[in-house]
Amino acid sequence: SQQGEEDPQALSIQEGENATMNCSYKTSINNLQWYRQNSGRGLVHLILIRSNEREKHSGRLRVTLDTSKKSSSLLITASRAADTASYFCATDAGDDKIIFGKGTRLHILP
Amino acid sequence: EAEVAQSPRYKITEKSQAVAFWCDPISGHATLYWYRQILGQGPELLVQFQDESVVDDSQLPKDRFSAERLKGVDSTLKIQPAELGDSAMYLCASSFPLAGGPYNEQFFGPGTRLTVL
Repeated sequence: SQQGEEDPQALSIQEGENATMNCSYKTSINNLQWYRQNSGRGLVHLILIRSNEREKHSGRLRVTLDTSKKSSSLLITASRAADTASYFCATDAGDDKIIFGKGTRLHILP
Repeated sequence: EAEVAQSPRYKITEKSQAVAFWCDPISGHATLYWYRQILGQGPELLVQFQDESVVDDSQLPKDRFSAERLKGVDSTLKIQPAELGDSAMYLCASSFPLAGGPYNEQFFGPGTRLTVL
């Protein structure tokens, strides 16, 4: 079963624009993580935000968390061709495992 | 930089055959995970080890899948017999949970792409 659900499923933007993708989940969480997956490769951890945090930054990434709405967003600013990948949110409900969503496929157009 | 190693990277087999995947986690990582990822979907947990013990194998199809981590280091995932529906990417990940703290990030290997004909 998958708790997190990313929106949109796919997103195409011009290089240099900002990309925003969202994640909604169903049950209370301890933390939420975002991962990136390049085509045919393993996942790479991007950022973790804890349930008592509302916003977190890492380089060109900004993540927000709204526990009242059970949602999170990932913003990538000034997108680059190398940002083309699938992005997954993963929720930790405190039972020592994380559950991944289906992902957003981001395509950066030159 | 330490990485999770997996082999083989690609495997093609015929249905009813046996296949095995190997994973070597980052040194010192006590927790090891096997995931299955169907094309276009997110990874789904098959089995989780803490050292050599299975913590969660509730989603592992035990009639055909088995996993072991005998010395608490590297791990093997086996499928016997393979079925057409097993075609997927099999990902291994490891983590070093902070004692008494929140869940830590997982480090993934490159995966094994399995095709069952």
